[in-house]
Amino acid sequence: QKEVEQNSGPLSVPEGAIASLNCTYSDRGSQSFFWYRQYSGKSPELIMFIYSNGDKEDGRFTAQLNKASQYVSLLIRDSQPSDSATYLCAVGKKSSGDKLTFGTGTRLAVRP
Amino acid sequence: DAGITQSPRYKITETGRQVTLMCHQTWSHSYMFWYRQDLGHGLRLIYYSAAADITDKGEVPDGYVVSRSKTENFPLTLESATRSQTSVYFCASSDRRGGGDYEQYFGPGTRLTVT
Repeated sequence: QKEVEQNSGPLSVPEGAIASLNCTYSDRGSQSFFWYRQYSGKSPELIMFIYSNGDKEDGRFTAQLNKASQYVSLLIRDSQPSDSATYLCAVGKKSSGDKLTFGTGTRLAVRP
Repeated sequence: DAGITQSPRYKITETGRQVTLMCHQTWSHSYMFWYRQDLGHGLRLIYYSAAADITDKGEVPDGYVVSRSKTENFPLTLESATRSQTSVYFCASSDRRGGGDYEQYFGPGTRLTVT
């Protein structure tokens, strides 16, 4: 079992729709959760982080964390073609220092 | 400019040659990381450093050497490059602020091809 699992996609949504990206993790001791966006040929860019159960909103992005189910998700409202990218989920815990474990990413395609 | 930079951005080298990839950050972050990214494998940690003169292995350290004599620099050396080391290499840095935050910020990457 991979430590951090994501559906590779592609996830295709029409412009203006809500895109829902999911991530599961295997280590129950995980304490911090991050979403990175990576455009083709570019480096990962941090867009959201969440540490507590529940929802965290930032503009069109909402991160959701459910530690009991070991599940973290990213919702993108009013999806735009510019949101088309690969989204990487990353998980960390204090006992691992600042190390993060990354999923392989979900490719999102937003259709105009 | 402030931030994290990598050089060179592109490199082609031959099997058996030594190659050094440079990483420089201006934030004075304590932690620095080297990853490689390959199709189907995602980001894999090669080495990381908690501070100057403190380094440790990650998931895929074989064939790589690192050093960190200054906080701001973290070079990665391929001692004898192999074709399997053809990849995109990312450097990242992070720091603890307020005891909870340790988001990693990535450099632009180096695309290395070993022929």
